[in-house]
Amino acid sequence: AQSVTQLGSHVSVSEGALVLLRCNYSSSVPPYLFWYVQYPNQGLQLLLKYTSAATLVKGINGFEAEFKKSETSFHLTKPSAHMSDAAEYFCAVSPTGTASKLTFGTGTRLQVTL
Amino acid sequence: DAGVIQSPRHEVTEMGQEVTLRCKPISGHNSLFWYRQTMMRGLELLIYFNNNVPIDDSGMPEDRFSAKMPNASFSTLKIQPSEPRDSAVYFCASSLWQGEAFFGQGTRLTVV
Repeated sequence: AQSVTQLGSHVSVSEGALVLLRCNYSSSVPPYLFWYVQYPNQGLQLLLKYTSAATLVKGINGFEAEFKKSETSFHLTKPSAHMSDAAEYFCAVSPTGTASKLTFGTGTRLQVTL
Repeated sequence: DAGVIQSPRHEVTEMGQEVTLRCKPISGHNSLFWYRQTMMRGLELLIYFNNNVPIDDSGMPEDRFSAKMPNASFSTLKIQPSEPRDSAVYFCASSLWQGEAFFGQGTRLTVV
């Protein structure tokens, strides 16, 4: 079975600082990997996805993630945090060939301070 | 397109009552998913449909839960009878077959 593990349920950064949210996956075959963002009282919005093409994936709002097979990781980064980035972020995995049957991690709540 | 539309946004009901959650997927999408989000268990896939046919309902917690998709533009998730532990946010998502999932804003269910 496929799964993802998100390290750190809460991350706090200063505005302008680097954002790093960690995700490790477990899969016997190359998976598809995703990062979603959830703002308060909202649904989930896709930030970016890895579907076995380029290992460095750029998403919306300045976020990017790098697929590292040797480390089974798919960490999310943004060079400079903005107050509007405060939200909950979910890493997810799906079987190769589908981008919608998702297994989610437990989420990381990002706080951005002045 | 208005996106995935769920109703109601909030539902408060008494234990033992029947609850029906509704979802209108994005027009043209042929896959539909129901997820549940709780503090304890996070986001869980309950059931998904392809072309209105249930494909995998292994995530449905128990027989009190049922889901239908009578046509391509409508799906329901029903809980009968409801229990306090069913309190959660229920999300519907739709996609083109194997494509990106688009989520609705969710229904926050409280069972008292």
